[in-house]
Amino acid sequence: GENVEQHPSTLSVQEGDSAVIKCTYSDSASNYFPWYKQELGKRPQLIIDIRSNVGEKKDQRIAVTLNKTAKHFSLHITETQPEDSAVYFCAAYEFQGGSEKLVFGKGTKLTVNP
Amino acid sequence: GAGVSQSPSNKVTEKGKDVELRCDPISGHTALYWYRQSLGQGLEFLIYFQGNSAPDKSGLPSDRFSAERTGGSVSTLTIQRTQQEDSAVYLCASSLVRLNTEAFFGQGTRLTVV
Repeated sequence: GENVEQHPSTLSVQEGDSAVIKCTYSDSASNYFPWYKQELGKRPQLIIDIRSNVGEKKDQRIAVTLNKTAKHFSLHITETQPEDSAVYFCAAYEFQGGSEKLVFGKGTKLTVNP
Repeated sequence: GAGVSQSPSNKVTEKGKDVELRCDPISGHTALYWYRQSLGQGLEFLIYFQGNSAPDKSGLPSDRFSAERTGGSVSTLTIQRTQQEDSAVYLCASSLVRLNTEAFFGQGTRLTVV
């Protein structure tokens, strides 16, 4: 089955700096990679996703890149703001034997210091 | 409702008691998932429903855990003879058809076994 590794587990940046979170996956058949943001005590919410037929996707200050050959994908946040502080989870979509699931990384706690 | 709703939001139970957790997915969403999130940990897959069928129960930790879904809508996760290690936040998510479209999470049920 799919295995997703996420790094770093914690990340602290100054307001205005960029933040990068990296994930690797094991199943080359995976074709959908979402990123979720979870603020303290809140539900995870999708912030951006990418499919395997695309190498990069941007949405304002957030971008995701995908390298299918190397089986890794990254989240880039530019001009970070204190409200970006949260736990970020990457995931890979696994479809196998009639079942499907999102396999999540263990999360990255991002702290943006004012 | 407008989003995925879970009840109760908090549950404290004595070791050995049974608990039922409820999930109301977004209307029309055929796919429903249960995940478990332990303190500071990632999201652990438990079970997947497509309609009322559960093609994948592989994530259920033991035979004390069971889940059902009726009418293609509401789902209940039942934990029998609860143990302290069952303490966690139980999250439900739904998506329109498959998980390679946006999955919407509920706010979770925080279960504490004392």
